[in-house]
Amino acid sequence: SAVISQKPSRDICQRGTSLTIQCQVDSQVTMMFWYRQQPGQSLTLIATANQGSEATYESGFVIDKFPISRPNLTFSTLTVSNMSPEDSSIYLCSVEGEANTGELFFGEGSRLTVL
Amino acid sequence: GQNIDQPTEMTATEGAIVQINCTYQTSGFNGLFWYQQHAGEAPTFLSYNVLDGLEEKGRFSSFLSRSKGYSYLLLKELQMKDSASYLCAVSDNTNAGKSTFGDGTTLTVKP
Repeated sequence: SAVISQKPSRDICQRGTSLTIQCQVDSQVTMMFWYRQQPGQSLTLIATANQGSEATYESGFVIDKFPISRPNLTFSTLTVSNMSPEDSSIYLCSVEGEANTGELFFGEGSRLTVL
Repeated sequence: GQNIDQPTEMTATEGAIVQINCTYQTSGFNGLFWYQQHAGEAPTFLSYNVLDGLEEKGRFSSFLSRSKGYSYLLLKELQMKDSASYLCAVSDNTNAGKSTFGDGTTLTVKP
């Protein structure tokens, strides 16, 4: 399984600011996925980050709010823009396993609290 | 779209067996996954089913019936460290194979 490192692991942010989360994988992967897990809830896919092309966003998520970069096959960033308390959540980076059956491996997550 | 249902909470005793059920509705079933998530940690992959039947992996087994849209995760010889949230996720090939997660079942193992 891939080793996935995320930072920051947690942060407290002020309303209206933006924060960029970084995700580093120890191997080259085609797709990287960004999930959100709000308190007490399950995981919701925000977008798929593809190297060399724009990210693909899921319904309810837009590029202006969650811009994503994917400069190479081992790294991606997710920015949470113009934050409000409703953005308080855990943000998780993930990649598919080598078995190509769709199983996901996750980074440790970035816990954001917006005041 | 997909609709995934699993119980919100379950409690079991150390050493016992517990079965966590998951039902789903999907238009293009492409596989079902179970993940374990300890409080404050990221989910970790437990099992994958794409064909009907039982997949056994140590103390954990996962069952799938595609015709019934039903799966369960069976945990044997429960240990205190098994207290966690268990997430059922379904992959849909009408959604580029992406997984949709259920809300998770919080399992509490008591002495």
